[in-house]
Amino acid sequence: DIVMTQSPDSLAVSLGERATINCKSSQSILYTSNNKNYLAWYQQKPGQPPRLLIYWASTRESGVPDRFSGSGSGTDFTLTISSLQPEDVAVYYCQQYYDSPLFGGGTKVEIK
Amino acid sequence: QVQLVQSGSELKKPGASVKVSCKASGYTFNNYDLNWMRQAPGQGPEWMGWINTSTGKPTYARGFRGRFVFSLDASLNTAYLQISNLKAEDTAVYYCARPSGGWSIFDSWGQGTLVTVSS
Repeated sequence: DIVMTQSPDSLAVSLGERATINCKSSQSILYTSNNKNYLAWYQQKPGQPPRLLIYWASTRESGVPDRFSGSGSGTDFTLTISSLQPEDVAVYYCQQYYDSPLFGGGTKVEIK
Repeated sequence: QVQLVQSGSELKKPGASVKVSCKASGYTFNNYDLNWMRQAPGQGPEWMGWINTSTGKPTYARGFRGRFVFSLDASLNTAYLQISNLKAEDTAVYYCARPSGGWSIFDSWGQGTLVTVSS
């Protein structure tokens, strides 16, 4: 089974600064026939369901602010929030859909 | 707009059963499968499986075979999750979620149903 490992578990970033979250899969989730990485990112605020931010590793979902970006390929992926806003305080999850869907353990983002 | 509305919180005793509903609106129900997720306190979501809304055929993830049953009432645009012989470790928020475009990219989620199992 593919295992998804996120780091760090939590991070505190000053308002307006960059936040970087990492996600590593135990095997490649790049499907070579279509050159797509089967990885999504979600944001979850307390008491709410997860919200889709990014899919195919770097495609932003409609309505998601452009300060959110995804990058990476194969086994190593990154979610970047370029300028942290108060409303970005949340837990962020990566999820692979190359195989049966599996979420990472989450990264909690707070304001420093 | 797409909406998935779930039934309310449940408090059950160990050994009891619970049935959670997920009513879909804003799209053609049988054009999209529905998935179920479990999120235990302080944990990430865990995929439980999905139900084909055209045929009613369920598929269960490893670890969710036996006590968990997915079903449908297509006439009501509603999917159900039933859990039998509840255990304390079943205490969690359960979500239904709709995938996008034929892949397991979940762009619409229900609001979640908290199931608490306690004596």
